[in-house]
Amino acid sequence: QKEVEQNSGPLSVPEGAIASLNCTYSDRGSQSFFWYRQYSGKSPELIMFIYSNGDKEDGRFTAQLNKASQYVSLLIRDSQPSDSATYLCAVNSLNSGYSTLTFGKGTMLLVSP
Amino acid sequence: DTAVSQTPKYLVTQMGNDKSIKCEQNLGHDTMYWYKQDSKKFLKIMFSYNNKELIINETVPNRFSPKSPDKAHLNLHINSLELGDSAVYFCASSQKTRGDTQYFGPGTRLTVL
Repeated sequence: QKEVEQNSGPLSVPEGAIASLNCTYSDRGSQSFFWYRQYSGKSPELIMFIYSNGDKEDGRFTAQLNKASQYVSLLIRDSQPSDSATYLCAVNSLNSGYSTLTFGKGTMLLVSP
Repeated sequence: DTAVSQTPKYLVTQMGNDKSIKCEQNLGHDTMYWYKQDSKKFLKIMFSYNNKELIINETVPNRFSPKSPDKAHLNLHINSLELGDSAVYFCASSQKTRGDTQYFGPGTRLTVL
């Protein structure tokens, strides 16, 4: 059973701080890693994807991947109240030769003004 | 210009009824998916179609039957609805079947009374 683990939170940070969201996965063959943001009552929207070990930056967001440790994280710099949402980590796995995404249960982030 | 659309947005029905949810994407993607998100917000793959062909069928009761009339449409028919079917159902699409980004529709909130 392929698993993706996240701390459910809530993770509470003050406005302007760095929020650090973590995710571990069980399938060593996974090649693609995604972070989605989901506001309450809305659909998941893609924040970032990362394929290679190391860091990938996009604006205030940085994704970090360590395949040896089977660990992926998302850093949000200068957190804003509008960043308050659930962040879903998703990892691709091959299923009968086709790719599927396995999602973690999400970490709720609360950014207080 | 909605990329992935679903109808209806809300569906309230009695146990034992049969209902359908429709999904359409105008992104030109080859692969479409159905996900179920339960009350604990866990997002789980149900089905995946590539160019109208079923490629992934997770452990889903036979009461759920997907149909893809063409690669832009994926519908979900549910027979004999049960209380446990209450959830939000998301349709998604992606360009390729291997590890590519998935884009989600707005979701259909199904409530079975």
